[in-house]
Amino acid sequence: DQQVKQNSPSLSVQEGRISILNCDYTNSMFDYFLWYKKYPAEGPTFLISISSIKDKNEDGRFTVFLNKSAKHLSLHIVPSQPGDSAVYFCAARGNSGGSNYKLTFGKGTLLTVNP
Amino acid sequence: NAGVTQTPKFQVLKTGQSMTLQCAQDMNHEYMSWYRQDPGMGLRLIHYSVGAGITDQGEVPNGYNVSRSTTEDFPLRLLSAAPSQTSVYFCASSLFITDTQYFGPGTRLTVL
Repeated sequence: DQQVKQNSPSLSVQEGRISILNCDYTNSMFDYFLWYKKYPAEGPTFLISISSIKDKNEDGRFTVFLNKSAKHLSLHIVPSQPGDSAVYFCAARGNSGGSNYKLTFGKGTLLTVNP
Repeated sequence: NAGVTQTPKFQVLKTGQSMTLQCAQDMNHEYMSWYRQDPGMGLRLIHYSVGAGITDQGEVPNGYNVSRSTTEDFPLRLLSAAPSQTSVYFCASSLFITDTQYFGPGTRLTVL
C-alpha cells in the first residue's frame, strides 16, 4: 500500500520555464511534507518542506503548495535551470509520536531540464 | 564536519556471505536510519534508532540487523546475503526524529 505517490516517473522541461512536480498521499495522519533532491551517485539532500498548517512555502526558486483536502502537494521550480536536473523525492510524516514520525518516501520523479 | 559517512562505497558479495555496512555521523545526532533504494521503489526504511541503545524496525527489516552502541555509529549487518538485497543503501541522521534528515553518499551492494 503506497502511502506517498509520485505518479510521474519523469518530467522534461526547457531551461527558464516552470517545472511542476506532483505528489499525492493517502494517509490522513501525515502532517509534514518534504522534498528531497538526488543527483546520481549521491545521497538525497533536503530541498524544502511544508507543515500542514500552511498551504504554501517558498525558498528562492522553489515553492511547495499543499492542498490538504485533495491530499496533494506540488513543487514548483521557477525558472528551471539545467543544474536542477535530478530525481526529486516527495516524503511525508505524521505527528502523533513514535513510529508516525518516520518518513515515508514516494518513488521519485526524474526531472530533466534541457538547455 | 564530515557529516554522514558510509563505507564501503561499493561491495560485491556472494549469496550466503555476511557483511557490515558502516555509517558514522559527527553532528551529535540522536536519530539515525538506514534506507534502501531500488529502481522504481523510492527509499524504503530498513531500521532506525532514536538514540544509543535503542533500535527499531522499519518497513523492510528482514535479513538485516542493527545495533547502536554509540551516538556516532549505526552499522547495518547483512546476516546471509541474498540477490534480493542487491540495492543502494543510504544512511541518514537528524538531531531528533522530527528534524530534517541528512543522508550519506550511499553504498552500492551487489549480491551474486
